[in-house]
Amino acid sequence: GNSVTQMEGPVTLSEEAFLTINCTYTATGYPSLFWYVQYPGEGLQLLLKATKADDKGSNKGFEATYRKETTSFHLEKGSVQVSDSAVYFCALSGGTSGSRLTFGEGTQLTVNP
Amino acid sequence: GAGVSQSPSNKVTEKGKDVELRCDPISGHTALYWYRQSLGQGLEFLIYFQGNSAPDKSGLPSDRFSAERTGGSVSTLTIQRTQQEDSAVYLCASRRPGEAEKLFFGSGTQLSVL
Repeated sequence: GNSVTQMEGPVTLSEEAFLTINCTYTATGYPSLFWYVQYPGEGLQLLLKATKADDKGSNKGFEATYRKETTSFHLEKGSVQVSDSAVYFCALSGGTSGSRLTFGEGTQLTVNP
Repeated sequence: GAGVSQSPSNKVTEKGKDVELRCDPISGHTALYWYRQSLGQGLEFLIYFQGNSAPDKSGLPSDRFSAERTGGSVSTLTIQRTQQEDSAVYLCASRRPGEAEKLFFGSGTQLSVL
C-alpha cells in the first residue's frame, strides 16, 4: 500500500534560517503529492501540491519538487518567519489509495525570533 | 458557515461509554472524510463518504466504530464502548466535486477516554 515518511521532528530554527523538511513516499502508479500545514488552533490546510514528476509546487515562499527518481517531495523555504511555526504534513493521493489522502507523521516547526 | 465545523471541540468520557462526534462540511462539498490523529502519530484514515454512501470504510479500526452521513451533508462518527486507546483528535474534512486533492479540514474533536 501507499505510505509517506517524514523526517523526525521537532525542528527549531531562528528567524531567517533556511528550512528543509524531508519527505519520501512509497506508492504504486503515479500519485499526486501535497504539503499540508496546521497552524496552532486551526485545521489543516493545503500549502502546495504537485501532480506529476518534476513539477514544483510553491506557495507563501515554500517550495517542493516532485522527484520520482528518489521518491521524494522535500519542503524548503529560504528564510523562515516566526509566523511559519506550525505542524507540516506531507501527503499523497492516487494509486492504491484512490481518493483518500495518505499522510506522514507531521513535523513540528518552531521559529524563534 | 464558511468552514468545516466539528462538535464538540472536546469530549471527555468514561471507558465503556458511547460517544457521537459531529461534522458539518462546507455547503456543496460532496465528499467527506474522517481521520484520527493520535499523539505523536500521523493522520490515520478512517472512512470516506461520497454523498451519503461510504465507498471506503477500510480505515475503521474495529466494529465499535461506525459513521453515517445524511442529506449529503452532516456526518456522525459513533464510537461504542469506548476504550482508552480511542483517545485522539478526530478530524473531519470535505472537498468540492472535481477537486480531488484539496481537502478542507475542521479543527477536530479532542476525545479523551478515562
